[in-house]
Amino acid sequence: AQSVTQLGSHVSVSEGALVLLRCNYSSSVPPYLFWYVQYPNQGLQLLLKYTSAATLVKGINGFEAEFKKSETSFHLTKPSAHMSDAAEYFCAVSEEWNSGGSNYKLTFGKGTLLTVNP
Amino acid sequence: NAGVTQTPKFQVLKTGQSMTLQCAQDMNHEYMSWYRQDPGMGLRLIHYSVGAGITDQGEVPNGYNVSRSTTEDFPLRLLSAAPSQTSVYFCASSYGSDSGSSEQFFGPGTRLTVL
Repeated sequence: AQSVTQLGSHVSVSEGALVLLRCNYSSSVPPYLFWYVQYPNQGLQLLLKYTSAATLVKGINGFEAEFKKSETSFHLTKPSAHMSDAAEYFCAVSEEWNSGGSNYKLTFGKGTLLTVNP
Repeated sequence: NAGVTQTPKFQVLKTGQSMTLQCAQDMNHEYMSWYRQDPGMGLRLIHYSVGAGITDQGEVPNGYNVSRSTTEDFPLRLLSAAPSQTSVYFCASSYGSDSGSSEQFFGPGTRLTVL
């Protein structure tokens, strides 16, 4: 089974500062990787996904992530934090479920809560 | 499109009670799933369905049942609620599950407390 590790359960930045949220995965094959965002009391919303087309993936709200196979990492960045970015962020990897079929499931990291200070 | 809808938003149960969490989607998605979210644990897959009439277990299926009689609906049943089932439950759907790259769309969640 694959695993996803998000370094730092809580990251605090100042408004206008760089946002860097770290994600490492374990996979022996090229994975499908996702970043989801969860605003307070809401469901998860897709920020971006990596599907092997390009190593630098751009998402919504100015976020981007870079896939680095050698480091098994998929860190999320944003050049300048905004107050509205305060939320919990989840990295996820898609893995085959029920081998023999063709069904996939998402394995999530434990999440990183981003706080943006004025 | 309403997307993925879940009812109720909040529920309090006593140990041993049963209930059904409702989930519906209007995007004609084949794949639907239920996750539970616990603090510091991320989301864990409970059950999933790849189409009407087809369901299967996820990582943490014990204590839960599902059925899929239509493409739109995927209810989750708690047979005899236990305090360990206190959690936030999310339903999700996607167009297909056989590529691995499909985006999953999540509902707003149901916050369940079992006393």
